[in-house]
Amino acid sequence: NAGVTQTPKFRILKIGQSMTLQCTQDMNHNYMYWYRQDPGMGLKLIYYSVGAGITDKGEVPNGYNVSRSTTEDFPLRLELAAPSQTSVYFCASSPSRTEAFFGQGTRLTVV
Amino acid sequence: GQQVMQIPQYQHVQEGEDFTTYCNSSTTLSNIQWYKQRPGGHPVFLIQLVKSGEVKKQKRLTFQFGEAKKNSSLHITATQTTDVGTYFCAVPTGNQFYFGTGTSLTVIP
Repeated sequence: NAGVTQTPKFRILKIGQSMTLQCTQDMNHNYMYWYRQDPGMGLKLIYYSVGAGITDKGEVPNGYNVSRSTTEDFPLRLELAAPSQTSVYFCASSPSRTEAFFGQGTRLTVV
Repeated sequence: GQQVMQIPQYQHVQEGEDFTTYCNSSTTLSNIQWYKQRPGGHPVFLIQLVKSGEVKKQKRLTFQFGEAKKNSSLHITATQTTDVGTYFCAVPTGNQFYFGTGTSLTVIP
């Protein structure tokens, strides 16, 4: 049972490039979330999903897009990367807004 | 979004001293969760509190939910170096989770 798997673990992007952060969970959870965590800061919600085909914006959605075509996968797309998107990105899943299970995170640097 | 204030932001303690972090909300909460994040790691769920005045213990950790369900605390007795990390409260609101700003705990051996 792998839980929540994020890839890649590390990535360096140049300004203006695009990339997709992958997130997969094998617990059949309906709820999935993307957070960003800046150094020494808390977690800010970017996007979330309550089930396949349903997504919604969180606190800081600008510059990001998501899709949820299956229960397992919830990729996060960065278009036109900017230095302000340098952060650690965490994907999480939850069966019903109870305990949230987090992936290991993706450390992204935009230069 | 949901505003949850967490204090203090940082806490340095000598090993063996106690530690407490607090979460405060301006609105009544349906429940509150606590997470621990080790340095360089990811948040890990510790506990969920649901009932007014609820107190739960996990070994040296004591969690409390206020009578008005607007505040919560996490108390660690006799800290150890393994307690190092950042402790977050989290509040489910609608279909979202809002996290407090966290309290970073440093334990000095």
